[in-house]
Amino acid sequence: NAGVTQTPKFQVLKTGQSMTLQCAQDMNHNSMYWYRQDPGMGLRLIYYSASEGTTDKGEVPNGYNVSRLNKREFSLRLESAAPSQTSVYFCASRGQPGLAGAFYGNEQFFGPGTRLTVL
Amino acid sequence: AQSVTQLGSHVSVSEGALVLLRCNYSSSVPPYLFWYVQYPNQGLQLLLKYTSAATLVKGINGFEAEFKKSETSFHLTKPSAHMSDAAEYFCAVSDPDDYKLSFGAGTTVTVRA
Repeated sequence: NAGVTQTPKFQVLKTGQSMTLQCAQDMNHNSMYWYRQDPGMGLRLIYYSASEGTTDKGEVPNGYNVSRLNKREFSLRLESAAPSQTSVYFCASRGQPGLAGAFYGNEQFFGPGTRLTVL
Repeated sequence: AQSVTQLGSHVSVSEGALVLLRCNYSSSVPPYLFWYVQYPNQGLQLLLKYTSAATLVKGINGFEAEFKKSETSFHLTKPSAHMSDAAEYFCAVSDPDDYKLSFGAGTTVTVRA
């Protein structure tokens, strides 16, 4: 199992350019997430998808859009990149509740990240 | 709503010394709590988690954490630091019925030879 994979690993954009970050998981997880990581601020949630067919805004959604393409894939799009979007982006996934109705503990599994620079 | 505070953005310890990373949380319901580790240029890896079972939780690489409800704390410890423990550590909290995690700002650990 590859777990959570992200492409690309690195990207440099000019202000105003657009791009899509790709994320896929092979763990049959229901929920998927996009975070950004900035120094001294921990991880901040951009968007998440609790299950296939649903997406919701997180803490910092402005300037981003997402698509839950299928159960495996969750993409993040920057329509018009800005220098403030320079960051490291992480995708994560989480499994579904257990058979008894109790959650597995809500832990999320993370991809290796995409380092994005906007000039 | 829940939140996490990690005390100390940087911790420096000598090899073989105790590692103590502090985490305090706020939550309106009994929470689930997590510690993640991030090695340079990598994603986050789960160290350990608390999900309302035993209050002393053992994780990977010799780390453990104790849930103290009265102090709303979930501090991470390791008795003897190793050079390979140099990394950034994140505490996170979740309400059991919530899909989301809230992360602390992180603590960077350096280990001196």
